[in-house]
Amino acid sequence: DAKTTQPNSMESNEEEPVHLPCNHSTISGTDYIHWYRQLPSQGPEYVIHGLTSNVNNRMASLAIAEDRKSSTLILHRATLRDAAVYYCILYGGSQGNLIFGKGTKLSVKP
Amino acid sequence: EADIYQTPRYLVIGTGKKITLECSQTMGHDKMYWYQQDPGMELHLIHYSYGVNSTEKGDLSSESTVSRIRTEHFPLTLESARPSHTSQYLCASSESVAGSMNTEAFFGQGTRLTVV
Repeated sequence: DAKTTQPNSMESNEEEPVHLPCNHSTISGTDYIHWYRQLPSQGPEYVIHGLTSNVNNRMASLAIAEDRKSSTLILHRATLRDAAVYYCILYGGSQGNLIFGKGTKLSVKP
Repeated sequence: EADIYQTPRYLVIGTGKKITLECSQTMGHDKMYWYQQDPGMELHLIHYSYGVNSTEKGDLSSESTVSRIRTEHFPLTLESARPSHTSQYLCASSESVAGSMNTEAFFGQGTRLTVV
């Protein structure tokens, strides 16, 4: 499974946008970019995923670089409830596995 | 809301006891996973299954074993618990459609195991 690199931690103010970066320079052509987050004392939850094009859903947006070697998860207006560890994962499909790295711990200040 | 359940949520047990952590999902997912996570640390994949009668070891070696007799049920067993097994165990499931890249995984709430 290809590796991803994320900053260990980031801080944000409440109601401001947050951009969480992820580098994946060894991504293969068939790898999807998945993002999950883990709130304190809970199991991870799916946030968003994409292949080549930018993606939006009710939780976040995913911006994917043209060469696919990096991506950015965008939370448009951070809330206190968004404080969590965010994981960027390359997923090769149904025969692959979700391999978690250390992720980025996001703190949100009121 | 995810339909995947783990029991118990918390378990404190003595060394040498046999334990089984339960995981059930009602989504009809073929693929299921077990992860182990120590406090403040990353998740490590210890077991996974592609479907009934399929079990595979994950990236992290574990003394636990799993079985998959029914699609919806993926229990994890420790034959003889030790303090080194103290950790949180998370179960997950996802669809496993050949050729599909569009598979979101759903996680249970986890079982926090303490072996004393």
